[in-house]
Amino acid sequence: DVKVTQSSRYLVKRTGEKVFLECVQDMDHENMFWYRQDPGLGLRLIYFSYDVKMKEKGDIPEGYSVSREKKERFSLILESASTNQTSMYLCASSLFLASGSGELFFGEGSRLTVL
Amino acid sequence: GQQLNQSPQSMFIQEGEDVSMNCTSSSIFNTWLWYKQDPGEGPVLLIALYKAGELTSNGRLTAQFGITRKDSFLNISASIPSDVGIYFCAGLRSNDYKLSFGAGTTVTVRA
Repeated sequence: DVKVTQSSRYLVKRTGEKVFLECVQDMDHENMFWYRQDPGLGLRLIYFSYDVKMKEKGDIPEGYSVSREKKERFSLILESASTNQTSMYLCASSLFLASGSGELFFGEGSRLTVL
Repeated sequence: GQQLNQSPQSMFIQEGEDVSMNCTSSSIFNTWLWYKQDPGEGPVLLIALYKAGELTSNGRLTAQFGITRKDSFLNISASIPSDVGIYFCAGLRSNDYKLSFGAGTTVTVRA
């Protein structure tokens, strides 16, 4: 069974702290994604990666960075957390990127609260 | 990615009722997908549509890819308590590699 695992389900951080959200997939997928989910806004893409050490900005990259040192692992980094980054963060992976099935496999999500 | 217009935003339904939700866009999409997110979980793909006019079923779920390629709908027949959750539509354009998501429809079932 396919599996995307996010390291933390719930985190509480203080404004200005550095935050790491880790994601691991066991499907040997090339592509990995970080989304942010907010009520009424759906899922918004922060960053994605189509290969090791490769990354592309999504729709809302400001305030975030990512790291992909190994194929199975994709990390989201908040250099200096702010209260407006309180949200649910979803990691996903996919086999195809362009003109493919569009199917994403999601992790369970990491709910971050910034105080 | 472009936000899709998904409606309704939420619905309360009686167990056994049929449910319908839809998604529209001003742009043409080549693929439409419907995901469901159970409480406390990540979204899971329900149905994928790849051809305009296509009607696809998955158990009690039926989805259609609109003829104009700018819309899609999802029907749930004879709803049951486990249908509770958030349903997202998503679209993929041929010249893009990023899914665009709707804002979601939150379904609550009254027993």
